[in-house]
Amino acid sequence: DAGITQSPRHKVTETGTPVTLRCHQTENHRYMYWYRQDPGHGLRLIHYSYGVKDTDKGEVSDGYSVSRSKTEDFLLTLESATSSQTSVYFCAISEPLWDRGRGGYTFGSGTRLTVV
Amino acid sequence: LAKTTQPISMDSYEGQEVNITCSHNNIATNDYITWYQQFPSQGPRFIIQGYKTKVTNEVASLFIPADRKSSTLSLPRVSLSDTAVYYCLVGAALNQASNSGGYQKVTFGTGTKLQVIP
Repeated sequence: DAGITQSPRHKVTETGTPVTLRCHQTENHRYMYWYRQDPGHGLRLIHYSYGVKDTDKGEVSDGYSVSRSKTEDFLLTLESATSSQTSVYFCAISEPLWDRGRGGYTFGSGTRLTVV
Repeated sequence: LAKTTQPISMDSYEGQEVNITCSHNNIATNDYITWYQQFPSQGPRFIIQGYKTKVTNEVASLFIPADRKSSTLSLPRVSLSDTAVYYCLVGAALNQASNSGGYQKVTFGTGTKLQVIP
């Protein structure tokens, strides 16, 4: 979607290497999120941010860290990638809910990460 | 956090109306109900959102009974391009008085995979 981009779109990496995924938004939204999507599990929240340098854990945060030094960028880092982290990763931003009819998330196009 | 339950999958013929129901028995007073659509290899896309009664937009209708413990997404006259996964999401807005509210710690369920048949 316009206003939110993820990079890279695809990545293959080896077990044990660090990996950083980037999410960039141009909407100036306060909230940003990282999700992973796996067959049979739907979308699961990894970490989210509610402002610059303000982050919190989601339900599957083990093995991941995040940073947000600017409003527009939210980075997801796998410190030492494992095969269980092979997944599709989605970044999202959220809009004000009282903006009737437009409330909720806007998602990026995803990053397909393969750990071999 | 309100847990949601949806059917895993549904099939429908082209041109029919499709109703997908989501149960959210533990919905809180401040929670909104939002539905998303996801095509393969894409991120979910917002369809519709509501708090109570009925909401309609150009894509779908959302029916929410008075007790708000369930909601039904209605897609009129589906086409093959409506084949997708549909997610029901329940969550509360924070800081509604400010200009930058949003969900926190909201987790999507596994969704309903809708297959439209020619």
